[in-house]
Amino acid sequence: LAKTTQPISMDSYEGQEVNITCSHNNIATNDYITWYQQFPSQGPRFIIQGYKTKVTNEVASLFIPADRKSSTLSLPRVSLSDTAVYYCLVGEEDKIIFGKGTRLHILP
Amino acid sequence: DAGVTQSPTHLIKTRGQHVTLRCSPISGHKSVSWYQQVLGQGPQFIFQYYEKEERGRGNFPDRFSARQFPNYSSELNVNALLLGDSALYLCASRHTPKDRGRMETQYFGPGTRLLVL
Repeated sequence: LAKTTQPISMDSYEGQEVNITCSHNNIATNDYITWYQQFPSQGPRFIIQGYKTKVTNEVASLFIPADRKSSTLSLPRVSLSDTAVYYCLVGEEDKIIFGKGTRLHILP
Repeated sequence: DAGVTQSPTHLIKTRGQHVTLRCSPISGHKSVSWYQQVLGQGPQFIFQYYEKEERGRGNFPDRFSARQFPNYSSELNVNALLLGDSALYLCASRHTPKDRGRMETQYFGPGTRLLVL
């Protein structure tokens, strides 16, 4: 199983760029990396997914180095509403394994 | 379009009772998965169903069971409730089971918060 490790929590200020790094040393060749966001008392929400190099969408960027043993979620110009838990997941055949995630707290 | 819906939103039970939670996937989605999320932890996988068949099972006791209906909605049943079953139960749907390695986007419902007293 491809286990992921993320920081437990992070603080940042409004308007800053936030980078959350996830390590997944035993990622399998075919595994993709996916990030979800979860607000309190809500289900997780898909943010971004990638396999290698860089992926960008309207809300975030995902940077994956050549060895794919880590990945970095980048949130540009965060706002208070970005305060949430962010989960990094690596593909599994029949089930998704969530870790404890990173609790991001945005300060005014 | 309606997202994943779950019912009830909240539920209070006592130890030893039985509970049934319900989930309706996004229209056109044939796969439903169930997760348990205890306060402060990430969601833990319980079951995945596709076309009414179980396609995956997490590390949960046999007190947990589920089924999927012809319209792709699903029920999660928990028997002989324990205090430790208190959690947010999440349902997620996607169009097809995930191909090996590729994690097709799952869409989560708002969850059912179960409190066992």
